[in-house]
Amino acid sequence: AQTVTQSQPEMSVQEAETVTLSCTYDTSESDYYLFWYKQPPSRQMILVIRQEAYKQQNATENRFSVNFQKAAKSFSLKISDSQLGDAAMYFCAYRGAYGNKLVFGAGTILRVKS
Amino acid sequence: EADIYQTPRYLVIGTGKKITLECSQTMGHDKMYWYQQDPGMELHLIHYSYGVNSTEKGDLSSESTVSRIRTEHFPLTLESARPSHTSQYLCASSDWRRSTDTQYFGPGTRLTVL
Repeated sequence: AQTVTQSQPEMSVQEAETVTLSCTYDTSESDYYLFWYKQPPSRQMILVIRQEAYKQQNATENRFSVNFQKAAKSFSLKISDSQLGDAAMYFCAYRGAYGNKLVFGAGTILRVKS
Repeated sequence: EADIYQTPRYLVIGTGKKITLECSQTMGHDKMYWYQQDPGMELHLIHYSYGVNSTEKGDLSSESTVSRIRTEHFPLTLESARPSHTSQYLCASSDWRRSTDTQYFGPGTRLTVL
C-alpha cells in the first residue's frame, strides 16, 4: 500500500521569505502523480501544484515550485516570497496512474508572520 | 476555482436522525468522491463513483451510503446519525479523460451529531 509522510506538523515563515515543506512517499508503482493541496482556515481544499512522475522537470506555479526526487521518493514544496494568504494546512497527496484514490499525508500547518 | 458545491456547510443534529449531505458539480466530471476528515487530520476516502449508477466503498469503513443517479449529483446519506459520525465531509470530482485526473474539492460539510 502507498503511504505519504509529512514529517513537519507545523512550520513558520516570515512574510516575503522562502519556506520548504517536506513530503516523502512509499510506492512500488513506477507511474503516478503527486499533488500539493492547500486548505486555508475556511477549509476549501485548493490544488496548489501537481507533478507527473514520468516528467523529470520540476513543476512550478508562480511562487510555488516542487523539488521532485523520484529515486529518493521525495516531493517537497517551496513557497517563495511568502504572503499572509499562504497561511494554511498543506497536504501532500499521491495517486497511482491507474488508481482512483488520493493518499494524503497528515498535513503541515504553515504560519506566516508579518 | 472548481465548480463543486456542498450543502449544508454546517449541520448540527441529534442522534438517530437521518441526514443527507449534498454534493453537486457543474464540470461534467464522471468521477466523484467523498472523503472524511477529522479536525487537523488527513483525509480518508469513504466512497467514490466512476459515473451514473456506479458506486464503490473507499478505504475507510463508513456507515454512510451514496447514490449516483445523475452525473452532476453525488449525495451521501446517514440513516441514523451518531456522535461517532461527527466530522468534516469533503466531496471531490475529477475528469478521467485528463491524464492527471486531478481531483477538485468542494467546501465541505462540517457535521456535528449530539
